[in-house]
Amino acid sequence: NAGVTQTPKFRVLKTGQSMTLLCAQDMNHEYMYWYRQDPGMGLRLIHYSVGEGTTAKGEVPDGYNVSRLKKQNFLLGLESAAPSQTSVYFCASSYSGRGHTEAFFGQGTRLTVV
Amino acid sequence: KQEVTQIPAALSVPEGENLVLNCSFTDSAIYNLQWFRQDPGKGLTSLLLIQSSQREQTSGRLNASLDKSSGRSTLYIAASQPGDSATYLCARLQGAQKLVFGQGTRLTINP
Repeated sequence: NAGVTQTPKFRVLKTGQSMTLLCAQDMNHEYMYWYRQDPGMGLRLIHYSVGEGTTAKGEVPDGYNVSRLKKQNFLLGLESAAPSQTSVYFCASSYSGRGHTEAFFGQGTRLTVV
Repeated sequence: KQEVTQIPAALSVPEGENLVLNCSFTDSAIYNLQWFRQDPGKGLTSLLLIQSSQREQTSGRLNASLDKSSGRSTLYIAASQPGDSATYLCARLQGAQKLVFGQGTRLTINP
């Protein structure tokens, strides 16, 4: 059972470089999310998607872009990385049926920007 | 802004004790509430999901309750074991299926 898979697991970037984080889910979930987790700040929502072809801003969207071209994939892009984007990034997906909504998380991507 | 608060931030107890972790939220119009476990350097593992129409859920030694009127949820862990040591996070839905997280409680069970 793959569930939610994030690629890569670790990455070091230089300031100004760009990269894309990939999230893939095999549970046919409609909703997908990108969070970042920082010490003392908890988990904060960056962007989310309620379906293929749709995206929306979360709590901390600045400096990030996302795309959901396929239902099973949600991409997070950093166009020009900054040290403030050093964090652990988590992708999640969820479904909603008859009021039952449950979220599942990937294992995280640890990103360091130097 | 809807907020989720978890107290205490850290808890250390001897093995075998029963313990309660607390989660409070500001909006009683809650959808669902979900408890997660996070081990150091790992992702989040879902423990229990309480739908808004439910009062509690149980899984093994874990029991989670939801009281919308008081804006609280509790996670009860029976007969704690060293393997229960982890950070426990609660999260509530906030419109459009978004999860809002508390800061977590870091639990240490001492052998």
